[in-house]
Amino acid sequence: GAVVSQHPSWVICKSGTSVKIECRSLDFQATTMFWYRQFPKQSLMLMATSNEGSKATYEQGVEKDKFLINHASLTLSTLTVTSAHPEDSSFYICSAREGGTGGNQPQHFGDGTRLSIL
Amino acid sequence: QKEVEQDPGPLSVPEGAIVSLNCTYSNSAFQYFMWYRQYSRKGPELLMYTYSSGNKEDGRFTAQVDKSSKYISLFIRDSQPSDSATYLCAMRLYQGAQKLVFGQGTRLTINP
Repeated sequence: GAVVSQHPSWVICKSGTSVKIECRSLDFQATTMFWYRQFPKQSLMLMATSNEGSKATYEQGVEKDKFLINHASLTLSTLTVTSAHPEDSSFYICSAREGGTGGNQPQHFGDGTRLSIL
Repeated sequence: QKEVEQDPGPLSVPEGAIVSLNCTYSNSAFQYFMWYRQYSRKGPELLMYTYSSGNKEDGRFTAQVDKSSKYISLFIRDSQPSDSATYLCAMRLYQGAQKLVFGQGTRLTINP
């Protein structure tokens, strides 16, 4: 159980393109989803927390107009990197947590999206 | 000082050895503790999830939490080459808290 699917797994695109990444909880409802960024040989850096039906909460230093997050249903959140540039190239990982905001369930992660901007 | 300290390694041991991975933390308010395993170019996979102090065992894996020392450990018995991965510790403040605080991750290689 607790499977999180992320798509696409790898995307290469030209500078200036907008890229959308999907994150789905396959066998549970996720009121809360999280988006992380990971650089090579480093730990995960939280970008934003997304609660279904409300605006995402972005971490300090993360541009909300650059990284658009939509969490329109209990099983789907999307991250759109707008007008992507080479410095946005990274490994983006989503996670989802079962249950409501008051719960104690752990986060389960997707397999990540490798984004390469040429 | 980082909130969570984890030796990045790399750590290399022979197959069959017992592996000990550790994290220390500075915030005594952390209550929920997790260990994740991350293979190269994959997302983290939850291995162990514990609340407060004590031990938890699952197959070849044992997680220990010592809140008095602010120290958590993951032990892997009878290590296998397939255990080669990066291991991340993570912790959370209280029930309902949203954010996880991660350690840097330890790169582990099990040599056949």
